[in-house]
Amino acid sequence: GEDVEQSLFLSVREGDSSVINCTYTDSSSTYLYWYKQEPGAGLQLLTYIFSNMDMKQDQRLTVLLNKKDKHLSLRIADTQTGDSAIYFCAADSWGKLQFGAGTQVVVTP
Amino acid sequence: SQTIHQWPATLVQPVGSPLSLECTVEGTSNPNLYWYRQAAGRGLQLLFYSVGIGQISSEVPQNLSASRPQDRQFILSSKKLLLSDSGFYLCAWERGGQPQHFGDGTRLSIL
Repeated sequence: GEDVEQSLFLSVREGDSSVINCTYTDSSSTYLYWYKQEPGAGLQLLTYIFSNMDMKQDQRLTVLLNKKDKHLSLRIADTQTGDSAIYFCAADSWGKLQFGAGTQVVVTP
Repeated sequence: SQTIHQWPATLVQPVGSPLSLECTVEGTSNPNLYWYRQAAGRGLQLLFYSVGIGQISSEVPQNLSASRPQDRQFILSSKKLLLSDSGFYLCAWERGGQPQHFGDGTRLSIL
């Protein structure tokens, strides 16, 4: 299987919370990242978490890490239409980043 | 602050033509540099990375090559493009194990 896996699609109503899940295989990953890609644009770093942390909160974003299960999630509170994008999970592995295929988040009014 | 520039933003090339995409970083020195390709609807595939001038590591065998003639310049090239080279090409930099930062990408279409 892939080194980093994500669900491909998420639909959420404006104002609700979004949760995007990711699993990875390399238990030696030191950092885990979330990037956002808007249509036709590059990747924007949203947040990242060090592997010895369980949770990191940054305004509307909350990252949860279960290192035992190698599971990472990104919660977006009060989702807005501007949050519609593709979200990539990435794990560092031997000095390089392994990316998931991306989760397309569609925010509906 | 550091910035990364890629150009061109969009490119349409015929099959068999050469390619040169350029990426430059400002505001830092000795960055690690990366070229990725993103096929339509897919994740990112690492193509090349460089830890210094003239030092290029290739991740996948392909029709492309990379060069780093200067510390903050990274070039992606091909002598003869294939249809399968179409995609969205992203350059990224990082330094000291910090997160990678990406350019705005080049959308390459091969006709």
